[in-house]
Amino acid sequence: EPEVTQTPSHQVTQMGQEVILRCVPISNHLYFYWYRQILGQKVEFLVSFYNNEISEKSEIFDDQFSVERPDGSNFTLKIRSTKLEDSAMYFCASRQLTGRGTEAFFGQGTRLTVV
Amino acid sequence: GENVEQHPSTLSVQEGDSAVIKCTYSDSASNYFPWYKQELGKGPQLIIDIRSNVGEKKDQRIAVTLNKTAKHFSLHITETQPEDSAVYFCAAIVGGADGLTFGKGTHLIIQP
Repeated sequence: EPEVTQTPSHQVTQMGQEVILRCVPISNHLYFYWYRQILGQKVEFLVSFYNNEISEKSEIFDDQFSVERPDGSNFTLKIRSTKLEDSAMYFCASRQLTGRGTEAFFGQGTRLTVV
Repeated sequence: GENVEQHPSTLSVQEGDSAVIKCTYSDSASNYFPWYKQELGKGPQLIIDIRSNVGEKKDQRIAVTLNKTAKHFSLHITETQPEDSAVYFCAAIVGGADGLTFGKGTHLIIQP
């Protein structure tokens, strides 16, 4: 069964450093997402990406964050100048179609720890 | 924007009994409602979903009901088993906005 893969599984970084989280969405999917889950809390939407541009972003996704699809397979989330409160699980997801009625497949997540 | 409320936050049931988790949503434009199961250290996995043109959907021991008028939907798990223990999230999506809005999750504990 096709799956969304994320690397690394765990990333520890110093406060103020930049991190890049990587995702390989399912190959025939067109829409890509990043979500965040702070420990013990709900999953929160960060950003959606389609046709090489951001289609929607939440208020969490400020200038500190950026996304990119550098080639035909990878989808990355960059966090500049990390803060302690950025510590969370970050999930990548993809789906074939947008909006209503289609399943979003989630990766296993990257646990980001900012120290 | 959309707001999804989920109850209860923790649910403990005896193995073999049924479990019901309830969610409400705020935006009447939402018309896709998935339920995700999250096991410790893993990503959310879709277990069932429902679209707003139907009132109920069933898949073996799992069923979801939707009341559009009241803007609430529920997950029903019958004949619960130990492997059903996990955190369950409901979610809703508004057309044109691609991001899912999740509830806060229900920690389901199946007591042997």
